[in-house]
Amino acid sequence: EPEVTQTPSHQVTQMGQEVILRCVPISNHLYFYWYRQILGQKVEFLVSFYNNEISEKSEIFDDQFSVERPDGSNFTLKIRSTKLEDSAMYFCASSDTGMSNYGYTFGSGTRLTVV
Amino acid sequence: QQQVKQSPQSLIVQKGGISIINCAYENTAFDYFPWYQQFPGKGPALLIAIRPDVSEKKEGRFTISFNKSAKQFSLHIMDSQPGDSATYFCAASYNFNKFYFGSGTKLNVKP
Repeated sequence: EPEVTQTPSHQVTQMGQEVILRCVPISNHLYFYWYRQILGQKVEFLVSFYNNEISEKSEIFDDQFSVERPDGSNFTLKIRSTKLEDSAMYFCASSDTGMSNYGYTFGSGTRLTVV
Repeated sequence: QQQVKQSPQSLIVQKGGISIINCAYENTAFDYFPWYQQFPGKGPALLIAIRPDVSEKKEGRFTISFNKSAKQFSLHIMDSQPGDSATYFCAASYNFNKFYFGSGTKLNVKP
């Protein structure tokens, strides 16, 4: 069964440092997303990406965040200057045409710890 | 503003019992309502989903009941098993772009 792969599974970083979270979406999917989940809380939308550009972003996704699809397979989330409150699980997701009855496929997440 | 409200926060059910989790939404433009199951350390996995043109959808032991006029939908897990112990999230979206998730229900099925 196709999977969304995220690396690393866990990243610890110093406050103020830049981090890049990486995702390999399912190969024939066209829509890509990042969500985050602060420990014990609900999953929150960050950004959606289609046709090499952001299609929608939340108020959480401020100027510190950026996304990129640097090649045909990877989809990255960059946080320029991490803050303590950025500590969370970050989930990448992808979907096919966007009208599937099968929802997103989520990756297993990257646990980001900012110290 | 909380677009999707979920209850209860936690639920304990005996093996073989019925687990019921409820969600209410605000935006009448929502047109897709999935339920996700999440095990510790894993990403959410799609369990079952419904569109607002039907009132019920059943897949195995899992059923979604949908009440469009009340803006509510619920997940029923029949014959609950210890392996069903997980956190369940309802969600809603329109145009299948971004999903609004509920706050989650931690289900514990006791043997």
